[in-house]
Amino acid sequence: EADIYQTPRYLVIGTGKKITLECSQTMGHDKMYWYQQDPGMELHLIHYSYGVNSTEKGDLSSESTVSRIRTEHFPLTLESARPSHTSQYLCASSDPRGPYNEQFFGPGTRLTVL
Amino acid sequence: SQQGEEDPQALSIQEGENATMNCSYKTSINNLQWYRQNSGRGLVHLILIRSNEREKHSGRLRVTLDTSKKSSSLLITASRAADTASYFCATFPFSGSARQLTFGSGTQLTVLP
Repeated sequence: EADIYQTPRYLVIGTGKKITLECSQTMGHDKMYWYQQDPGMELHLIHYSYGVNSTEKGDLSSESTVSRIRTEHFPLTLESARPSHTSQYLCASSDPRGPYNEQFFGPGTRLTVL
Repeated sequence: SQQGEEDPQALSIQEGENATMNCSYKTSINNLQWYRQNSGRGLVHLILIRSNEREKHSGRLRVTLDTSKKSSSLLITASRAADTASYFCATFPFSGSARQLTFGSGTQLTVLP
């Protein structure tokens, strides 16, 4: 099991609520990622970070935002959740010093917006 | 468009049989990786094959890579019910300033006891 954690594991909320999905890792990895995955479908990269104070948007446009104030912490925030945000959100990290970019994943947060 | 495409989308076999999944991609790669995802969980890295390698083994896993055809296959031998999961290939590009892993759509493997 990788040392990368996500909370909550499951979240059911109403439309318009602000939510923050937490992700933390204890491996000292500089690179971190957020993916969005619908059931049975491929992963879509929505945000990534090369290190503290670095954030970039991924291939899939997302209304969420991220921050990277500490190496180990990479939270994702939705200011106003909508039913279209219902999905599974996966956080991952990798060691940029490694040559092959193997990624370590957290268990995911399954978000349902009513 | 998606870099990696897995084939088949779903595969159902009996315990003890071998399972083969294929992945095709479009651009030049530095390496190709296979991941496994149990239902409702995160992905777990299984094996990596570099672009200059043709075959790699890890336990019951065998991965091949054909860069001329831009394709890879994952073979799981003597499958077990516990191998039931989704399997994703992911490609890491050969060049580019912001290289990231790109995941395919996955193969759902069901191993029947």
